[in-house]
Amino acid sequence: GENVEQHPSTLSVQEGDSAVIKCTYSDSASNYFPWYKQELGKGPQLIIDIRSNVGEKKDQRIAVTLNKTAKHFSLHITETQPEDSAVYFCAAPGTGGTSYGKLTFGQGTILTVHP
Amino acid sequence: SQTIHQWPATLVQPVGSPLSLECTVEGTSNPNLYWYRQAAGRGLQLLFYSVGIGQISSEVPQNLSASRPQDRQFILSSKKLLLSDSGFYLCAWSVAAPGEQYFGPGTRLTVT
Repeated sequence: GENVEQHPSTLSVQEGDSAVIKCTYSDSASNYFPWYKQELGKGPQLIIDIRSNVGEKKDQRIAVTLNKTAKHFSLHITETQPEDSAVYFCAAPGTGGTSYGKLTFGQGTILTVHP
Repeated sequence: SQTIHQWPATLVQPVGSPLSLECTVEGTSNPNLYWYRQAAGRGLQLLFYSVGIGQISSEVPQNLSASRPQDRQFILSSKKLLLSDSGFYLCAWSVAAPGEQYFGPGTRLTVT
């Protein structure tokens, strides 16, 4: 099955700085990579995703980059704000047998943005 | 637009008691449905996956079971809860896999 590693586990930045979270995956056939934001006591919210036919996708202050050769993808948040503070998860799907289509999640990154 | 509901929001149950958590999705037909468990606010563990009524795939051997009696209804059950069943239970849906998965608000279960 798919194995997803996420780093760092915690990230602390000052308001206005940029934040970068990186994930690596093991299944070279994986073709869909979402990022989720989870606020305390709530369900994860899909914030951006990328498919393997593109290398970068942006949505206002957030962007995701994908390096298929190296099997890693990253979340970039620019001009961070205190409301960006949350736990962020990456995920990647399995592609073989009973793992097909099922997402494997990284362990999460606790992002804290200090005012 | 699509909406996913879970209830109850919080639950405190004694060890050995039964469990029933419910998830319903509105605004879509024949969704893929998922149950996840999250411990200590980190890491999502897939418990069950369903592609249609009565079709359940169990991902992890455990004290829990799932059922899908209707197209947009997914139920997580246990006959006898264990302390280790405590956690945050999340239901999710998707149109296709792999693809966008959307999560419900979750149920916080504490087994005492």
